[in-house]
Amino acid sequence: QVQLVESGGGVVQPGGSLRLSCAASGFTFSNYGMHWVRQAPGKGLEWLTFIRYDGSNKYYADSVKVRFTISRDNSKKMVYLQMNSLRTEDTAVYFCAKDLRSYGSGNFEYWGQGTLVSVSS
Amino acid sequence: QIVLTQPPSVSAAPGQMVTISCSGSSSNVGTHSVSWFQQFPGKAPKLVIYDNSKRPSGIPDRFSGSKSGTSATLGITGLQTGDEADYYCGTWDTRLNIGLFGGGTKVTVL
Repeated sequence: QVQLVESGGGVVQPGGSLRLSCAASGFTFSNYGMHWVRQAPGKGLEWLTFIRYDGSNKYYADSVKVRFTISRDNSKKMVYLQMNSLRTEDTAVYFCAKDLRSYGSGNFEYWGQGTLVSVSS
Repeated sequence: QIVLTQPPSVSAAPGQMVTISCSGSSSNVGTHSVSWFQQFPGKAPKLVIYDNSKRPSGIPDRFSGSKSGTSATLGITGLQTGDEADYYCGTWDTRLNIGLFGGGTKVTVL
């Protein structure tokens, strides 16, 4: 069965950095696009970034463009989110999600359980 | 931040039906597939509808989806207490090349 397991969350001071990881299993990872989505406490879902199946294209929400970087390693079945210059408003649960297709189709087929990032001084 | 428009809440008695709308524009809902997610407090979202109207394996046929123009709709019939959750729509915006979610709708079973 498909599994997505996020890790790397924690408490970080404003201006700091974190790298989130998402380990995928149960499907041919190299065939599918992957997203990162976050949810601030008590708020709705916010799409952050997407990477195509082969890493050839990456897209970002304006709120994280320049500060966050998505990457993937198909040999390890991993997707990463490097987060720099963190702000208090980045505090949220971060989910990785598998797209139904190799490109950004808007069908977020499977989700990980999420990892909590808390930005606080 | 661009979001798709959903009603904040809907409610109905057990056994009744609710519908949730998701309104977008020609560059997102009007062009791309819409998917719907169910989320319980403290849990990850779960896909209940993809490609506008298709149900993943294991999702009961009480859940249905449709799309017309720049709006999509999730329907839940035979409402059960276990359906109480937040529901989100999602899609892709082809002009901006970004993913989009609705603001979420809380379903309450009276």
